[in-house]
Amino acid sequence: GDSVTQMEGPVTLSEEAFLTINCTYTATGYPSLFWYVQYPGEGLQLLLKATKADDKGSNKGFEATYRKETTSFHLEKGSVQVSDSAVYFCALSEATGANNLFFGTGTRLTVIP
Amino acid sequence: SAVISQKPSRDICQRGTSLTIQCQVDSQVTMMFWYRQQPGQSLTLIATANQGSEATYESGFVIDKFPISRPNLTFSTLTVSNMSPEDSSIYLCSVTRYNEQFFGPGTRLTVL
Repeated sequence: GDSVTQMEGPVTLSEEAFLTINCTYTATGYPSLFWYVQYPGEGLQLLLKATKADDKGSNKGFEATYRKETTSFHLEKGSVQVSDSAVYFCALSEATGANNLFFGTGTRLTVIP
Repeated sequence: SAVISQKPSRDICQRGTSLTIQCQVDSQVTMMFWYRQQPGQSLTLIATANQGSEATYESGFVIDKFPISRPNLTFSTLTVSNMSPEDSSIYLCSVTRYNEQFFGPGTRLTVL
């Protein structure tokens, strides 16, 4: 069945450091891939997405590239800020309509000044 | 975007009791989804609720334990019945709009 394996946290970085959160997936078809973010005290928000192989999703300085050959969708940011402190979830959906999402376990990121 | 509210935001309940969680969306949607996030774990889909039909439950979840109502296109409830400490989780509702899934703020449930 479909599943997402996400790098375990927590991750603590200094401000302006480079961030990578690994995510790999297992799917029977051609899924759409997502990164969601949950800031402290807030609900889940879509950060970025990619719907087909080699697509790159980007938002707020974050990027992730849909790699079919390695079944990966790693999240990266070149220079993190304190305001990026949050929990990040990788997810997939078999349908482009983002129904029935399968989530990874989440990675808590803390950025220190 | 979609504005989704949930009530209550949190609750502490005794085992054996039931809690009904409400989810309100700012405009009409066809499908609403209920997820559970157990402590330290990922989100798991409980069921999909369509207006005018019975909810569709995922493997491991049954209607007797998690009855769902969907009386109109902007509202749904999830009841957690006969609760035990293992039901302590965050429960989230979500909707799909413009090929994106939006989530409510969640209901944090603690069962003693």
